[in-house]
Amino acid sequence: AQSVAQPEDQVNVAEGNPLTVKCTYSVSGNPYLFWYVQYPNRGLQFLLKYITGDNLVKGSYGFEAEFNKSQTSFHLKKPSALVSDSALYFCAVRDADAGNMLTFGGGTRLMVKP
Amino acid sequence: DGGITQSPKYLFRKEGQNVTLSCEQNLNHDAMYWYRQDPGQGLRLIYYSQIVNDFQKGDIAEGYSVSREKKESFPLTVTSAQKNPTAFYLCASTWGLRSYNEQFFGPGTRLTVL
Repeated sequence: AQSVAQPEDQVNVAEGNPLTVKCTYSVSGNPYLFWYVQYPNRGLQFLLKYITGDNLVKGSYGFEAEFNKSQTSFHLKKPSALVSDSALYFCAVRDADAGNMLTFGGGTRLMVKP
Repeated sequence: DGGITQSPKYLFRKEGQNVTLSCEQNLNHDAMYWYRQDPGQGLRLIYYSQIVNDFQKGDIAEGYSVSREKKESFPLTVTSAQKNPTAFYLCASTWGLRSYNEQFFGPGTRLTVL
C-alpha cells in the first residue's frame, strides 16, 4: 500500500520569507512524487514532479522540491513567498513499480501575510 | 485547468434524485478519473477508466456509476444510494494508467443536496 502524509494543516509565512510545505510518503517500490496547488473553488494545478534523477526538482511559479529517499520526504519550497501563493497544496505519490493510482495527502493550507 | 471541462459548475440535488456530472477532455488522454473532495480533506478516488468501455472502482465507488463510451468523455452519475453526496467533484485525465506523467484536472463541480 502507498500513503502520503502532510503533517501540517496550515503553514503561515510572511511575504518575502522562505516557505516549506512538508510531505512524507510510503511506497513499496520507487516513488513518483507530485505537488499540486488548488485555489478556492478550482481544480488542482500541477506544480512539479519527481520521477528519477536529480533530487532537487524545479517547477512552476518559482517552487522547488527536494526528494530525500532516506527520509522518504518530498518537501515543497520557495525562497521568497508571495501573497498570491496563498492556496491549498497537495502532495501525491504513485508506486512506480506496482501502483496504478495516485494517493493524495490531506493538503496543507499556505497563508502568506503581507 | 487545461483541456478538461466539467459541467455544471454548481449542482443542486433533491433527496432521492440521481444527477449526472459531465467531464470532457480534448487532450487525447487515455486514462480518466473521478475524485471527491470534502472540506479539509484530500482527494478520494471514486472511479477510473483506462480505455473506452472499461472502468474500475476506486476507494469510494458505492452510490456512484460511470460510463466511458467515448475516449474524451467520462460522466459520473451520483445515485440516490449515495448517502452523503454533498462535496466538490473533480475529474482528471492523463496519458496512461501507468504513466509517470501528471494528471490534468478540470475546474470541478460543487454538488449540494437540498
